[in-house]
Amino acid sequence: EAQVTQNPRYLITVTGKKLTVTCSQNMNHEYMSWYRQDPGLGLRQIYYSMNVEVTDKGDVPEGYKVSRKEKRNFPLILESPSPNQTSLYFCASRRADRQLFFGEGSRLTVL
Amino acid sequence: AQSVTQLGSHVSVSEGALVLLRCNYSSSVPPYLFWYVQYPNQGLQLLLKYTSAATLVKGINGFEAEFKKSETSFHLTKPSAHMSDAAEYFCAVSRAGGTSYGKLTFGQGTILTVHP
Repeated sequence: EAQVTQNPRYLITVTGKKLTVTCSQNMNHEYMSWYRQDPGLGLRQIYYSMNVEVTDKGDVPEGYKVSRKEKRNFPLILESPSPNQTSLYFCASRRADRQLFFGEGSRLTVL
Repeated sequence: AQSVTQLGSHVSVSEGALVLLRCNYSSSVPPYLFWYVQYPNQGLQLLLKYTSAATLVKGINGFEAEFKKSETSFHLTKPSAHMSDAAEYFCAVSRAGGTSYGKLTFGQGTILTVHP
């Protein structure tokens, strides 16, 4: 089954404790991206990766890092999480016709 | 630059009534337009997309949308609402063609409630 898998689905952490949200896709898509979803703001892009050689900032990259060492994986790293990063995070991969395939989301709470 | 505005953060309809969710976009170049649906505790799923072919686009679950360039709109409709249509709906715009990587810009979302 074609899918994008994120882990963990739910996480509660404390300010400053580094965490990583993993994302993996099995559709051989070149393009992957991370979004955060906040009430009333829709989805905002954090980072995107055109392929394993190209990664760039989206609209709200502050406080986040990403890595794209292989095509299928695109982890999101919060080096020092802060409460304003409490949000619902989605990983997505994109087909050639620009259709995005989303993971089920990771709900992060930073205390 | 591109942007999307969804009119109405909440829409409530009765089961069997017409569903109309409004979306207006701004784009300096011809756009690709999308509607995504998000059911509770799930990721987003594509409902339909416009990519410069027919202006009336049919999607899944009986939804359709019409691209109106003169009004810069891409409203989503369904003739008869079902309880299972209750979800949050997102309109999104992407640049067509060119050298852009095709960044997708989302609207703020509209929560659809369906009453029995």
